[in-house]
Amino acid sequence: GAGVSQTPSNKVTEKGKYVELRCDPISGHTALYWYRQSLGQGPEFLIYFQGTGAADDSGLPNDRFFAVRPEGSVSTLKIQRTERGDSAVYLCASSLMGTEQFFGPGTRLTVL
Amino acid sequence: GIQVEQSPPDLILQEGANSTLRCNFSDSVNNLQWFHQNPWGQLINLFYIPSGTKQNGRLSATTVATERYSLLYISSSQTTDSGVYFCAVDDTNAGKSTFGDGTTLTVKP
Repeated sequence: GAGVSQTPSNKVTEKGKYVELRCDPISGHTALYWYRQSLGQGPEFLIYFQGTGAADDSGLPNDRFFAVRPEGSVSTLKIQRTERGDSAVYLCASSLMGTEQFFGPGTRLTVL
Repeated sequence: GIQVEQSPPDLILQEGANSTLRCNFSDSVNNLQWFHQNPWGQLINLFYIPSGTKQNGRLSATTVATERYSLLYISSSQTTDSGVYFCAVDDTNAGKSTFGDGTTLTVKP
């Protein structure tokens, strides 16, 4: 596709449930990033992939959060035992290494 | 980690007016981007500008890396310019970015 796509666009879940958020980067982009944005704030870095490996996962808030990119393209962000504080917009971006990032439309996660 | 401060936090303009948005950062950076987040939440790339000056239509940006700031200029503002403008910097060349809290721009007709 022409840009970064994310699915689903909206996800409503109950506290304690498991969720998966998907990101399809721009074709050929080797770097992929996950960010989280709360209302009224700028996006906050979560994790960065270069190819298939997580190059920097220092932004993941705790071990309930995990992300994979098994074939170096599509990535999935996984959240276990969701909490109400996990509610936010989860943004994915991709880039060629060291260049400008292009963002997807985001997934709005609501934990009831 | 690196700190990013944007000013002003809020700005209200009449259509046709000009404005300057500022981004200060606390350390040397390898990358700097300006984004516009539209009312639907989409982050739209405006400039990739770790140093120097760039122009794109009514918008221009200048980054003075040695003094650790960047400016975004909007001329002849239009109602469609409304939204939140973010500055994002990377000090490691790894690409992960630290965002400021944004400037919320409202352009009134």
